[in-house]
Amino acid sequence: QQQVKQSPQSLIVQKGGISIINCAYENTAFDYFPWYQQFPGKGPALLIAIRPDVSEKKEGRFTISFNKSAKQFSLHIMDSQPGDSATYFCAAKGSGSRLTFGEGTQLTVNP
Amino acid sequence: DAGVIQSPRHEVTEMGQEVTLRCKLISGHNSLFWYRQTMMRGLELLIYFNNNVPIDDSGMPEDRFSAKMPNASFSTLKIQPSEPRDSAVYFCASSLRLAAQETQYFGPGTRLLVL
Repeated sequence: QQQVKQSPQSLIVQKGGISIINCAYENTAFDYFPWYQQFPGKGPALLIAIRPDVSEKKEGRFTISFNKSAKQFSLHIMDSQPGDSATYFCAAKGSGSRLTFGEGTQLTVNP
Repeated sequence: DAGVIQSPRHEVTEMGQEVTLRCKLISGHNSLFWYRQTMMRGLELLIYFNNNVPIDDSGMPEDRFSAKMPNASFSTLKIQPSEPRDSAVYFCASSLRLAAQETQYFGPGTRLLVL
C-alpha cells in the first residue's frame, strides 16, 4: 500500500536525447509527488514536484507527467546533458510528513 | 543561508563501538528526518520528528539505534553497539511542516563503515 515502484533501475541516453523514468503507486491518499536528483557523494535534492490536480508540470527541460487514474507518474528530461547524469528518485507523500521513495534510477548521459 | 549540516562526513569504526551521527536543521524548520541509504535497500526512512517529538520510528532497525532531538535545531542518531551491516550512508533532512508542499532538504550525509 505504501510502496512506490520505479523503473528502469538504470538508463543510458545519448546527449540530446530524452530520458524517461516511470513510477507507480498504490496508495490513493498520496497527494504530493516530488522527484529528487542525487549526485555521487551528495544528498538528494528536490528537482520538481507535482500535485494530482494537474496532469503535467514543466520546469525548463524537466517535465512531470501524471496519470491519476493509472496511479502513475513519470519524469521526462528533454535534451539530456552529461551534467544530468545522476540518480533520480521519485517519491510520494500523503497527509503526514513521511515521503515514500522509489528505488532510484541511475541515469548516464553519454557525450 | 546554510543548509542541513551533518557531522562527521566519514566515520570508520570497529564492530561493537558506539557511533554518534549529528545533524543541524535549517534555521526555522520544524521537521527532522533520518534516512539510511545502501545499494541493496535504497533510501530508507529510519525516524522522523515534528517539533522535537518523534512521530514515526517504525524504520529504526532495532534497539541498537536511537535518535534524539535535544533542541529544535539539532539531532543525533546513535548506534550502540555498531555492526558491519550498519555500514551505509546516513542522511538527515529537514523541512518546514506548515509549508504546503513541505520540501525536505537533505544534508550531505555521513558515510559510515563498520569493520
